[in-house]
Amino acid sequence: SQQGEEDPQALSIQEGENATMNCSYKTSINNLQWYRQNSGRGLVHLILIRSNEREKHSGRLRVTLDTSKKSSSLLITASRAADTASYFCATVGRGSSNTGKLIFGQGTTLQVKP
Amino acid sequence: EPEVTQTPSHQVTQMGQEVILRCVPISNHLYFYWYRQILGQKVEFLVSFYNNEISEKSEIFDDQFSVERPDGSNFTLKIRSTKLEDSAMYFCASSLSPGLAHEQYFGPGTRLTVT
Repeated sequence: SQQGEEDPQALSIQEGENATMNCSYKTSINNLQWYRQNSGRGLVHLILIRSNEREKHSGRLRVTLDTSKKSSSLLITASRAADTASYFCATVGRGSSNTGKLIFGQGTTLQVKP
Repeated sequence: EPEVTQTPSHQVTQMGQEVILRCVPISNHLYFYWYRQILGQKVEFLVSFYNNEISEKSEIFDDQFSVERPDGSNFTLKIRSTKLEDSAMYFCASSLSPGLAHEQYFGPGTRLTVT
């Protein structure tokens, strides 16, 4: 399996706090992406980080990538109740660079309490 | 903002029946995908499609499954003879390129229930 574990599996924080989610993978990647899924809904793309990048920001999101440890983290700063959702990392392996096949992790369920 | 659409939102079918799930990808996208998510589990890749042919498929995508782009806008997933274990949420996605620089845009999903 290309994808490893995401941790934590569940995270509960108060509004205003920061939330950090981690993702590990097993094989060489082309890029890593983070997606959000509200309960029973589709996946929304949040951010993409290429294998030659180490950090990327988008609004309140900060993603890091450590290819030597085969891991990534997603930080959501100043969380809001509306951030409550499941967050998934997904990788495109080097062998799938021409097909775009995404391999998803198990996800982290984030609950932000108002 | 352009979006991927899927129909129907919910499909109930009896075991052994054929189902066709429909998707309209974003109009200028060239790469198309199907994924599925069994309740409580992670999202799994089924197939990728480019230039009117399958570019990669998973072990799940056996002979019971097929994909087609019958015209310039629709992208369909057919399950020939459904099984109970095919019950899942099926997501269609599309992208401009296979993945180096471009994210995949997902539709809202079709919930398939096989009874």
